[in-house]
Amino acid sequence: GEDVEQSLFLSVREGDSSVINCTYTDSSSTYLYWYKQEPGAGLQLLTYIFSNMDMKQDQRLTVLLNKKDKHLSLRIADTQTGDSAIYFCAEKSAGGYNKLIFGAGTRLAVHP
Amino acid sequence: GAVVSQHPSWVICKSGTSVKIECRSLDFQATTMFWYRQFPKQSLMLMATSNEGSKATYEQGVEKDKFLINHASLTLSTLTVTSAHPEDSSFYICSVPGTSGLETQYFGPGTRLLVL
Repeated sequence: GEDVEQSLFLSVREGDSSVINCTYTDSSSTYLYWYKQEPGAGLQLLTYIFSNMDMKQDQRLTVLLNKKDKHLSLRIADTQTGDSAIYFCAEKSAGGYNKLIFGAGTRLAVHP
Repeated sequence: GAVVSQHPSWVICKSGTSVKIECRSLDFQATTMFWYRQFPKQSLMLMATSNEGSKATYEQGVEKDKFLINHASLTLSTLTVTSAHPEDSSFYICSVPGTSGLETQYFGPGTRLLVL
């Protein structure tokens, strides 16, 4: 079945880069997404990558996609305390209209 | 992206009562909306797909008589938790599919439900 896995926790020092990893199982996924959730809030679409791309950069964010290994990563450069949040990796399910399959989320803690 | 609101943002109720949560798409019409629940420190679990003008589609294991969904208009879907119990306490989030071709979803801010 469809499954998305992420490491649960990452701690980084302010100013360093953060790398959050994700693996997925559905090789037919057309889009893969990264969402950010701040405490007590809904999910905010952070960035996405189309399956025929290897990399996408958007300001401090870099998404890398290894389709062969079904591995997705999100790199945040110059991590700030405001980046502390939970980051969810998601893939579009092949089975339903815009149905997304989410990973468990990676809690990013940024310390001084 | 779409602007999605939810009301209330949090609610506390007694066991056995029913609670209604509203999800509104503020800036465009949505024939489909999604309802998720999220337990503390866990991922989102899709509960059901709300369809305007027809019955909702529930995910396996979700009781349709327990979680009533009504998609009354193109901008409003409601989730009613009937005869709530403490185990229904959770964070309920709705989302609206995007129309830009990204096939993504735009999420509401969530409703935290606490059943005493």
